[in-house]
Formats: sequence, C-alpha cells, structure tokens
Amino acid sequence: DARVTQTPRDKVTEMGQEVTMRCQPILGHNTVFWYRQTMMQGLELLAYFRNRAPLDDSGMPKDRFSAEMPDATLATLKIQPSEPRDSAVYFCASGSKHRDGNTEAFFGQGTRLTVV
Amino acid sequence: KNQVEQSPQSLIILEGKNCTLQCNYTVSPFSNLRWYKQDTGRGPVSLTIMTFSENTKSNGRYTATLDADTKQSSLHITASQLSDSASYICVVSGGFGNEKLTFGTGTRLTIIP
Repeated sequence: DARVTQTPRDKVTEMGQEVTMRCQPILGHNTVFWYRQTMMQGLELLAYFRNRAPLDDSGMPKDRFSAEMPDATLATLKIQPSEPRDSAVYFCASGSKHRDGNTEAFFGQGTRLTVV
Repeated sequence: KNQVEQSPQSLIILEGKNCTLQCNYTVSPFSNLRWYKQDTGRGPVSLTIMTFSENTKSNGRYTATLDADTKQSSLHITASQLSDSASYICVVSGGFGNEKLTFGTGTRLTIIP
C-alpha cells in the first residue's frame, strides 16, 4: 500500500533549536510538496520540487527555512533557528503529472511541531 | 490575489441526512478544482478532481459540482455517516499543469447520531 511517510509524527522543541522533518515520497512520484497547516491560515504551500529540483519555494521564510531532496526517496524541511510561530502541522505530499498536465497530490500524515 | 472561500465554516447534521458544502474561488487562470477530506490528525485525502470542462463528478456518496463561469463549486454528501465527520477542503489549481494549489480553510463537518 503506497503512501507518503513523514517522520517524526510529533516534535516538541525549544525556541532556537534546529528542527529537521523528513519525508519519503511514494516510489515513482517525481513531484514533492511541503505544506504547513495552522488553525488560522489553513494549508499553505511552502515549497515544491520536481525531479528533485526546487521549482517554487516562495512560500517559505528564507532566513530560517530550507528544503532539500538529497535523493529521490528523501525530502527534508529544516528550520534553524525555530520560533514559537513555527508551531504547526507540516505536511509532505507527493505526486506525478498526469497526461492531462495536472498533478494528483497524496499527503503524508504530517509532523506536528510545537516550539516552546 | 488568488483566494478560495468555503462556507459554512462548520456544520453539524444528523446521521443519515444530506448536506452541501460551498466553495467560491477567484483563482485565475484556472486548471482544476479538488475536494479533499481531512480526518483529525491525518493528512488530506482526495475525493474528487474536476477540470473546467466538467460540471459534476461523483465518488460514492460524494458528488461535486463545478460552475467555471461563476467560479463556484459544491460538495454534496448523501445519507451522511458518522465517518463523514471531518474537514472538507476545496483546493484550486491555477494554470495548465500548475501545481501551485490554493487551499480554502475548509468546512468542519460533524455528524451526530
């Protein structure tokens, strides 16, 4: 049963600490997305990759956030230094472009980050 | 600015009843519209995806409609079940093959016995 796997599921950290979230996309999917979800803002796109190359990271605060895909089976989202306002659920999703040009996104279970 | 607005924000209905959720969008250009179901503590799961040429699409007890002229969509749930309790999120994709999705803030649906 193919699924997007995210680790850790929950993370509590102190302000100023580095946080790394990991995502294993579905095998064969060439597009990977990072989203952040809060009660106030709903789901926001932070960044996405195609074939491991970053295509759009305009939704991501550049000074503290970074997203990478070291290989096709791993995507990482790093926050350094973390701040309380970063507390949210971070979702990774993967997908492939259909023949009609659209991409179906399959979401992982999310990483719930709490920065105290 | 591209926006997706959903109504109502929350809805409580009795098990077995039908309900309709609304979505209005201002995303342009438009590629497709999706409805996702998100259970508490889990990631969103796709229910339907419709392009501008499609007016209606069904997935079991879920039926989505799309009016690309008025930029409105609805999700109708028939004979609701307790397991339908979740957030329903309307998502619009702009431009052909554009993966940049604009999300609504969702409708929180609660089914009570």
